Amino acid sequence: ELKVEQNPLFLSMQEGKNYTIYCNYSTTSDRLYWYRQDPGKSLESLFVLLSNGAVKQEGRLMASLDTKARLSTLHITAAVHDLSATYFCAVALNTDKLIFGTGTRLQVFP
Amino acid sequence: ETGVTQTPRHLVMGMTNKKSLKCEQHLGHNAMYWYKQSAKKPLELMFVYSLEERVENNSVPSRFSPECPNSSHLFLHLHTLQPEDSALYLCASSQPLLASGRMYTDTQYFGPGTRLTVL
Repeated sequence: ELKVEQNPLFLSMQEGKNYTIYCNYSTTSDRLYWYRQDPGKSLESLFVLLSNGAVKQEGRLMASLDTKARLSTLHITAAVHDLSATYFCAVALNTDKLIFGTGTRLQVFP
Repeated sequence: ETGVTQTPRHLVMGMTNKKSLKCEQHLGHNAMYWYKQSAKKPLELMFVYSLEERVENNSVPSRFSPECPNSSHLFLHLHTLQPEDSALYLCASSQPLLASGRMYTDTQYFGPGTRLTVL
């Protein structure tokens, strides 16, 4: 059974600081997605990573994928309050399914 | 309407009621999904429909009954629910992709969800 684990589960960070969220998964896959969820809202797609070594960047967020290590990272640079949300990684199986991680709740404070 | 819509947004029901959740996607996708999101739990996949055929039923209790009359609409019929079924129910759609001889889901687009409370 595929397991997708994120850490940390909760992250409180100061504005302007950098931090990394980790997503580990237990079986072979070369497609990984990152989503954002604001409180009381739905999930919004952030990145799609399609191959080993893939790196995508949007604003202060950068995602990478290492399929050999079965690891993806979401790096936050110079955090701002607007980034406060819950971030999920999701791994694609060779079916129509995505398996979601536990989520990382990020709070950015002044 | 654009994207994925869900109605109702909030639903309170008793354990003996019957209700239905509706999802509609305006993206031309061929796959639709129901997920359950409970507090402090990962997002749980409940059902997958691809080209209007159910391809996944993730050991969901029979008190949840999905229906997909066409590729744009998905329903979740609810009856005799339990309080532990209270959660946010999310619908998503995607376009299945064939790559390297395998079928994958492309990016899934989510609706706003229905917040369900079972009394």
